[in-house]
Amino acid sequence: EVQLLESGGGFIQPGGSLRLSCAASGFTFRSSAISWVRQAPGKGLEWVSTITGSGGTTYYADSVKGRFTISRDNSKNTLYLQMNSLRADDTAIYYCAKRASSGFTSSSDYWGQGSLVTVSS
Amino acid sequence: QSALTQPRSVSGSLGQSVTISCTGTSNDVGGYDYVSWYQQHPGKAPKVIIYDVSKRPSGVPDRFSGSKSGKTASLTISGLQAEDESDYYCSSFAGRYDVFGGGTKVTVL
Repeated sequence: EVQLLESGGGFIQPGGSLRLSCAASGFTFRSSAISWVRQAPGKGLEWVSTITGSGGTTYYADSVKGRFTISRDNSKNTLYLQMNSLRADDTAIYYCAKRASSGFTSSSDYWGQGSLVTVSS
Repeated sequence: QSALTQPRSVSGSLGQSVTISCTGTSNDVGGYDYVSWYQQHPGKAPKVIIYDVSKRPSGVPDRFSGSKSGKTASLTISGLQAEDESDYYCSSFAGRYDVFGGGTKVTVL
């Protein structure tokens, strides 16, 4: 059974940093690209970033480029999202989403339960 | 990076079928067969019910089906059940990013 478990969320002041983790199981981790998607309170879904299965290529939404860094450790079956210079509009539930192939050119087929990040003074 | 267009709401009676549309452009829905559909109940995480336009993840009932024609993808729920009342979102790969629809609320009458 595919499982994705996010952690690391919390309350942080504007300008601060936070690192999210996504522990994966139930599939061959290195064979799947993984994305981060967020959902602000009461809002729709927004794609944040994607990393290929090898970790060699990353993609970012303009809204987070230069502030967020996606990475993965295939030996630990874990995905990360380092978030720096956080702003109030980064407040959201962050989901990790497994993709159906090792490349970004694919659909997402399983999502985790999410981790809430609240940025406020 | 414009959002995909979904109807705000659709409704149907128990046992009937409903179809939700998701319209994009040639740069996303029309250009790739990488459309996903998600079901999200209040306070819960989105659940993938369709990926790659028409594939169902393990455990998703075959009442849910997906298709695509040109720049529009569609999700059909056949034999509507009470538990299908939920919000539904679509997404599409768009070259170097993913784009999402604004969501559709399905009401079971």
